[in-house]
Amino acid sequence: QKEVEQNSGPLSVPEGAIASLNCTYSDRGSQSFFWYRQYSGKSPELIMFIYSNGDKEDGRFTAQLNKASQYVSLLIRDSQPSDSATYLCAVKGDSNYQLIWGAGTKLIIKP
Amino acid sequence: EAGVAQSPRYKIIEKRQSVAFWCNPISGHATLYWYQQILGQGPKLLIQFQNNGVVDDSQLPKDRFSAERLKGVDSTLKIQPAKLEDSAVYLCASSLTGSTDTQYFGPGTRLTVL
Repeated sequence: QKEVEQNSGPLSVPEGAIASLNCTYSDRGSQSFFWYRQYSGKSPELIMFIYSNGDKEDGRFTAQLNKASQYVSLLIRDSQPSDSATYLCAVKGDSNYQLIWGAGTKLIIKP
Repeated sequence: EAGVAQSPRYKIIEKRQSVAFWCNPISGHATLYWYQQILGQGPKLLIQFQNNGVVDDSQLPKDRFSAERLKGVDSTLKIQPAKLEDSAVYLCASSLTGSTDTQYFGPGTRLTVL
């Protein structure tokens, strides 16, 4: 059974600080890793994807991947109240097209 | 570019009734997905189409759920008969080819089964 694990939170972070969201996965053959943001009552929207070990930066967001440890994280710098949402980690293996989704971490940015 | 369209947005039915959801993917997207998302959980893939063929329906409860994608464009998902545990948001997503492409989600249909 392929699994993706996330801390459900809520994770509370002061405005302007760095928010760190973590995700672990069980399938060592996983190749593609995605972070989606989901506001309450809305559908998921892609923030970032990462395929290679290391860091990938896009504006205030940085995705970090460590395949040896089967760990992927998302850092949000200069957190804003508008970043308050649930962040979903999704992982795709190399044998099929299905995304395996975590349950999400609820992030709250306190003004 | 228009996004993924879904209807209806909300539906309330009694248990044992039937219900159908409609999805129109982004133009040109070959892959279409139906997900079920229960409150507090991540999306669960029900079925994945590549054009009008089924790629994966391993988690679709086939005794009550059915889906089709005629002509490789629009899709419908049907539940008959509905159970209380089917209460969830049903999300439709599409992607260009389905391999490593980004999935774009529609607004979802919130189903309540009483």
